[in-house]
Amino acid sequence: EAGVVQSPRYKIIEKKQPVAFWCNPISGHNTLYWYRQNLGQGPELLIRYENEEAVDDSQLPKDRFSAERLKGVDSTLKIQPAELGDSAVYLCASSQDGGSYNEQFFGPGTRLTVL
Amino acid sequence: AQSVTQPDIHITVSEGASLELRCNYSYGATPYLFWYVQSPGQGLQLLLKYFSGDTLVQGIKGFEAEFKRSQSSFNLRKPSVHWSDAAEYFCAVGQYNNNDMRFGAGTRLTVKP
Repeated sequence: EAGVVQSPRYKIIEKKQPVAFWCNPISGHNTLYWYRQNLGQGPELLIRYENEEAVDDSQLPKDRFSAERLKGVDSTLKIQPAELGDSAVYLCASSQDGGSYNEQFFGPGTRLTVL
Repeated sequence: AQSVTQPDIHITVSEGASLELRCNYSYGATPYLFWYVQSPGQGLQLLLKYFSGDTLVQGIKGFEAEFKRSQSSFNLRKPSVHWSDAAEYFCAVGQYNNNDMRFGAGTRLTVKP
């Protein structure tokens, strides 16, 4: 069974440019998460989806970040415009259902460098 | 809100030696506790988790962890480390039916030959 797929794996952009990350969760997983992992830190949740609905986006900087999960399967996270401080690894995870009882499976991440 | 502290940023052990990685949490109720491992360029992989019951939890790759409520700790152990265990280890705490899972800053493990 394929794991969580993310693309691209690496992205280098100039500040003020837009960037988008794509995630395809494990088949059948209803819950999808986007995390940001700064260098030397643990992941921090940006947004969580239950099917198509964003049920927790309290940590998403809404002035420049947006996300969508059309049809409740794959998801896109966008930053526009990017700032130097956005350099980080963006991780996508999925689980069968919400709740800590259900294991979250993580993708390999997208490493973003903003110059 | 819950939080996690991993006091050791970097640990070096010799191959074959025992390992203990420390994790302290802050949470008012019974926490759900996790240990994840992250190899370079890889996503996080779950090693083990604790929800309730036996406070000594067995995980994959020969790892175990012990939940100690009195010390608010969930330390990860392995009796004999292999070179392939070199990676970043993250402790996390969550709540049932609440996905506000908080990760510690991680401990980087180096294994000497």
